[in-house]
Amino acid sequence: GAVVSQHPSRVICKSGTSVKIECRSLDFQATTMFWYRQFPKQSLMLMATSNEGSKATYEQGVEKDKFLINHASLTLSTLTVTSAHPEDSSFYICSATGANVLTFGAGSRLTVL
Amino acid sequence: AQRVTQPEKLLSVFKGAPVELKCNYSYSGSPELFWYVQYSRQRLQLLLRHISRESIKGFTADLNKGETSFHLKKPFAQEEDSAMYYCALGGYSTLTFGKGTMLLVSP
Repeated sequence: GAVVSQHPSRVICKSGTSVKIECRSLDFQATTMFWYRQFPKQSLMLMATSNEGSKATYEQGVEKDKFLINHASLTLSTLTVTSAHPEDSSFYICSATGANVLTFGAGSRLTVL
Repeated sequence: AQRVTQPEKLLSVFKGAPVELKCNYSYSGSPELFWYVQYSRQRLQLLLRHISRESIKGFTADLNKGETSFHLKKPFAQEEDSAMYYCALGGYSTLTFGKGTMLLVSP
C-alpha cells in the first residue's frame, strides 16, 4: 500500500515552454502533497506544500508564478514549470501524506535545452 | 532554524564490516528524526524513524539529544546495503534532509 506515482519520469523540453509533472497517490487519499527539488549532489529542498482544495504554500525563494502547483483532488497534485529555462533543469520529487504515511514518488528528471 | 548535517559524502566499507553513517541536527524543539534510503534507480523510501526504536534490515539509530546526533549503524554491512542514505528532521510538513551519504559495500 501507500504508492505514489509520478509522471513523467523524464522530460526534455525547449527553453520557454511549460512542463507539467503529475503526482498521484494510487491507493490512499493524500491530504497533503509536497514538491521537492534536488540539484546534483545536493539534498532535497522543499519547494512547496499543497493541501487539497487550497492554494499551495511556497518556501522562501521559490517563485510561485514559475512553479504552479495544483492539488485539485485527494489523489492528484501537479507541478507546472512555466516558461522553463535551462536553470530549471533538475530532479523534481513529490511526496504525499495520508493515514500517517509519507511516501515519495520516483521523481521526474527535467532537462531544459 | 532546523538543519541536518551528514558530514560524509561517501562511506566505503567491506562486506561484514560495521557501518556508522553520521547525522547531526540542529533544532530548538523536540526533534523527530528519520533515515531514508535510496537504492540505485529506486525511489526514496523510509528506512526507520527514531520514535519507533526499531531495527530495519539490521540498521538501528539512536537519538542522542546531548550530542544532537542520530547516527545510523549496522554491525555487519552487506553488499545490498549499498545505497544513498538521507537523514531527515521534522514532521511531514517541515521535513529537512541532510545532503546524504553514499554507502558502498564491497565484497
